[in-house]
Amino acid sequence: ETGVTQSPTHLIKTRGQQVTLRCSSQSGHNTVSWYQQALGQGPQFIFQYYREEENGRGNFPPRFSGLQFPNYSSELNVNALELDDSALYLCASSGQGGSTNEKLFFGSGTQLSVL
Amino acid sequence: GNSVTQMEGPVTLSEEAFLTINCTYTATGYPSLFWYVQYPGEGLQLLLKATKADDKGSNKGFEATYRKETTSFHLEKGSVQVSDSAVYFCALSPSPYNTDKLIFGTGTRLQVFP
Repeated sequence: ETGVTQSPTHLIKTRGQQVTLRCSSQSGHNTVSWYQQALGQGPQFIFQYYREEENGRGNFPPRFSGLQFPNYSSELNVNALELDDSALYLCASSGQGGSTNEKLFFGSGTQLSVL
Repeated sequence: GNSVTQMEGPVTLSEEAFLTINCTYTATGYPSLFWYVQYPGEGLQLLLKATKADDKGSNKGFEATYRKETTSFHLEKGSVQVSDSAVYFCALSPSPYNTDKLIFGTGTRLQVFP
């Protein structure tokens, strides 16, 4: 089991609402990446935070936003939820901004259902 | 663009059978390649990786060789166990400087029966 914890584990929202997902990174890690995993698909990179700054973004609209706090925990916010946002959201942490020598540790994810 | 293609599953095997899960990739430059495993109810775990051509990654009896000439990174295991039942994801990192930004394949479910 990794030291990456995500909350909540499950969430149900309705279309148009806003949601905040939380992630605590593994101790000593300063980099957090977020991924979206739709049912039956591989995870897709949303964005990464390194030392509280966004450090790269995938092909997701601006209504997907994030924050990283001084303790390196992170939030993913999604506004104006759409049905297609239903997915497992994965948080992953590592040290040193994703250096090749670092290992990426994933949390168990938050399952979001949009009705 | 960068992409990863995996064989579709499920792959169903008897215990002690030989496993191959095919993975091919498209990338510019010199990507790093990974296999991740997702057990039921758990997060993704790194299984093995290779960072340059002809490198062989190995872990827990699984192996994969980075083949630049065929743009492949096939996963193999000589004798699978029931406990290997999981979903396996092939992934690449386009940049050697930030290997957290991964591009994943769609995953291959492996089911091993006693």
